[in-house]
Amino acid sequence: EVQLVESGGGLVQPGGSLRLSCAASGFTVSSNYMNWVRQAPGKRLEWVSIIYGGGSTDYAESVKGRFTISRHRFKNTLYLQMNNLRFEDTAVYYCVTGDYANWGQGTLVTVSS
Amino acid sequence: QAVVTQEPSLTVSPGETVTLTCASSTGAVTSGHYPYWFQQQPGQAPRTLIYDTNNKHSWTPARFSGSLLGGKAALTLSGAQPEDEAEYYCLLSYSGARPVFGGGTKLTVL
Repeated sequence: EVQLVESGGGLVQPGGSLRLSCAASGFTVSSNYMNWVRQAPGKRLEWVSIIYGGGSTDYAESVKGRFTISRHRFKNTLYLQMNNLRFEDTAVYYCVTGDYANWGQGTLVTVSS
Repeated sequence: QAVVTQEPSLTVSPGETVTLTCASSTGAVTSGHYPYWFQQQPGQAPRTLIYDTNNKHSWTPARFSGSLLGGKAALTLSGAQPEDEAEYYCLLSYSGARPVFGGGTKLTVL
């Protein structure tokens, strides 16, 4: 059974940084493609980033240049490094398998002064 | 970036059938957009009901089905149950571009 557990969310000031983690079990992160999807309070889902099996990456325009997706093969963990955070980055961030079949429970990021 | 549009809200009576749709600002939705449908209960993570237009996961209740209808992706719920009351989102993939979620449909079973 695939399980995805996110961590690393919290309260951060504008301009600050956070690194989200997504620990996977029952599934090999490095062999597959993985997404980050976020949802601002009361808003629609928004695709954020993807990392492919070969390691190539892509980002939504709203986060490009500020966020970096990566993974650790031996820890079987996906990451999202978020820099220069803005108020509008406030959201629950979900780790999702590439086929969208499996979602983590989400971790809340709040950007506030 | 494309805009994906869903009905903001729909109401269905228990046991009745309802169809939710998903439209693209770029034109007709086709199987090449690989439409997904997700169900999200309040306070929970989304779960995938339908992928690639009309494919179901093992956990997808049989009363849900996906299709293309009149240039849109469609999710049909046949025989609505109280537990189907939720927010439903579609997702479309665009060749050479990033995937885009719809705005969601709040389905009320009343």
